Amino acid sequence: NAGVTQTPKFRILKIGQSMTLQCAQDMNHNYMYWYRQDPGMGLKLIYYSVGAGITDKGEVPNGYNVSRSTTEDFPLRLELAAPSQTSVYFCASSHSGRASQETQYFGPGTRLLVL
Amino acid sequence: GESVGLHLPTLSVQEGDNSIINCAYSNSASDYFIWYKQESGKGPQFIIDIRSNMDKRQGQRVTVLLNKTVKHLSLQIAATQPGDSAVYFCAESGAAGNKLTFGGGTRVLVKP
Repeated sequence: NAGVTQTPKFRILKIGQSMTLQCAQDMNHNYMYWYRQDPGMGLKLIYYSVGAGITDKGEVPNGYNVSRSTTEDFPLRLELAAPSQTSVYFCASSHSGRASQETQYFGPGTRLLVL
Repeated sequence: GESVGLHLPTLSVQEGDNSIINCAYSNSASDYFIWYKQESGKGPQFIIDIRSNMDKRQGQRVTVLLNKTVKHLSLQIAATQPGDSAVYFCAESGAAGNKLTFGGGTRVLVKP
């Protein structure tokens, strides 16, 4: 299994541009998550999904959108990039979503710089 | 809001010594805690977890201690090795489950 994969690894955007961060998992996990990690900080939850067709906001959803058309994929969309969205983005997945039963597995991250 | 935080941002340890990383949490309803290790340029990697009905759990060279009275969590690494150099995060989940709240991280530097 490849686990959780993310593309691209690094991207530079100009203010106002849009892009989609890709995330895929091949573990047949129901739950998927998007986090952002600012320098020297912990992870903050942006959006999560409990299954195909279902998404919910996390702690910091503003400026982002997600979709979950399949179990495997959970893309994160930035419509109008802002410097405040400069961060490292991590995608994660877990089987049950009940944190006490299943740990979350993380992808390698996408580093985004908005200038 | 509820939060999880860490006492020490950076910990320098001599190779072979034991490391102790501390974490405080504020949500008394938290019932599940995890320690993650994050190496440079990589995503967080699960180390060990503990449920609120336990006060100690041991893994390979790692031990997590939970003190619910003072809402304190610690990670002990025995015989610290250069490969242990990383940032360590604690995370907690409340009774509602499925969402983790992460602390700010502690960087561990192992000196040869």
